[in-house]
Amino acid sequence: DTAVSQTPKYLVTQMGNDKSIKCEQNLGHDTMYWYKQDSKKFLKIMFSYNNKELIINETVPNRFSPKSPDKAHLNLHINSLELGDSAVYFCASSQVTVNSPLHFGNGTRLTVT
Amino acid sequence: SQQGEEDPQALSIQEGENATMNCSYKTSINNLQWYRQNSGRGLVHLILIRSNEREKHSGRLRVTLDTSKKSSSLLITASRAADTASYFCAAVAGNMLTFGGGTRLMVKP
Repeated sequence: DTAVSQTPKYLVTQMGNDKSIKCEQNLGHDTMYWYKQDSKKFLKIMFSYNNKELIINETVPNRFSPKSPDKAHLNLHINSLELGDSAVYFCASSQVTVNSPLHFGNGTRLTVT
Repeated sequence: SQQGEEDPQALSIQEGENATMNCSYKTSINNLQWYRQNSGRGLVHLILIRSNEREKHSGRLRVTLDTSKKSSSLLITASRAADTASYFCAAVAGNMLTFGGGTRLMVKP
């Protein structure tokens, strides 16, 4: 039933590990996003995909690699995790572009120790 | 720099009072959106106001947009304890949507 679902909800891992976060939307939207929310609640766009094609790639370390196998899925893989990667990561989707409302998942809280 | 910046950062009111949150942005926009985030949850879209609109209503929510001042406000009337959340504005320019830092609203019963 959930429109935008991301897993896992919590992720605790050690520095240097590689981890993935999965996201799926069942709204039939064309565009999907990854946002990072830091401890001060600031939300920053990381990536945006439209119909499986990358359209926004903000200044993000290349340790972060998004993968979109189809337009309903946008996964985020992170290599060589660092302490500073600790944050809440949100997946979102919108019908067309950012000119339509975004629908967010409930976030993945990543803690790197 | 933040495209949208909110003011105040935190607001505490009694149930039944009105809450007003302001948002300023820097460049010309296509539209401006307001979102709510409850603790531990994702953002929920509230209202989208286009650059050629000045005011929009949805239930107890009223949003205004002043493009000459590059600012928007969100008014929640007759607030309820359940309105306690963080509220974010998001300015859309081109294909970029940029969030402000949010206003933490606490409504005391």
